[in-house]
Amino acid sequence: ELQLVESGGGLVLPGESLRLSCAASGFTFSSFWMHWVRQVPGRGLVWVSQINPNGRTTDYADSVKGRFTISRDNSKNTLYLQMDSLRVEDTALYYCASDLASWGQGTLVTVSS
Amino acid sequence: QAGLTQPPSVSTGLRQTATLTCTGNSNNIGSGGAAWLQQHQGHPPKLLSHRDDSRPSGISERFSASRSGNTASLTITGLQAEDEADYYCSAWDSSLGVWVIGGGTKLTVL
Repeated sequence: ELQLVESGGGLVLPGESLRLSCAASGFTFSSFWMHWVRQVPGRGLVWVSQINPNGRTTDYADSVKGRFTISRDNSKNTLYLQMDSLRVEDTALYYCASDLASWGQGTLVTVSS
Repeated sequence: QAGLTQPPSVSTGLRQTATLTCTGNSNNIGSGGAAWLQQHQGHPPKLLSHRDDSRPSGISERFSASRSGNTASLTITGLQAEDEADYYCSAWDSSLGVWVIGGGTKLTVL
């Protein structure tokens, strides 16, 4: 059974950093584009970033470009999102998704002073 | 960044047919189509339709997607109470080099 499990969320101060992880199982992780999508509770989905199967191509939403870095370790079947210079407006539930087709349950990031 | 436009809400009766729309432009829906996602309150999104309008395995035939020009549509027939949810469309924007997701439509089944 395909499974995506996010972790690493928490409460941080503005300007601090956080690294999210997404552990994948039940499918050939190394064959799929992987994404991070965030959602403020009660609001819509917002695409954040994607990475291609071999990790050499990445794309970012303008709102996070230069602050967030997506990466993957295919030997560990794990996707990452390094979030630096966090802002209050980055507060959201962060989902990882394979091909935007299968989704994890999300991990909550709260940026607050 | 330019996005996809969806009506905020649609209400339709039980056992009736609902059609949800998603309007983009020639750089996103017009060139690559749109995928559709369903999200129930408190749950992650679920893919209902790929960008080529095909349904993933396990998705009911009551859900069908189509496209005309820069507008994608999701038609849900025989509405059931469990269809009450938020629906999102998503597409790759080849000009911006990003995925764009619509603001979502809240479907209410009366």
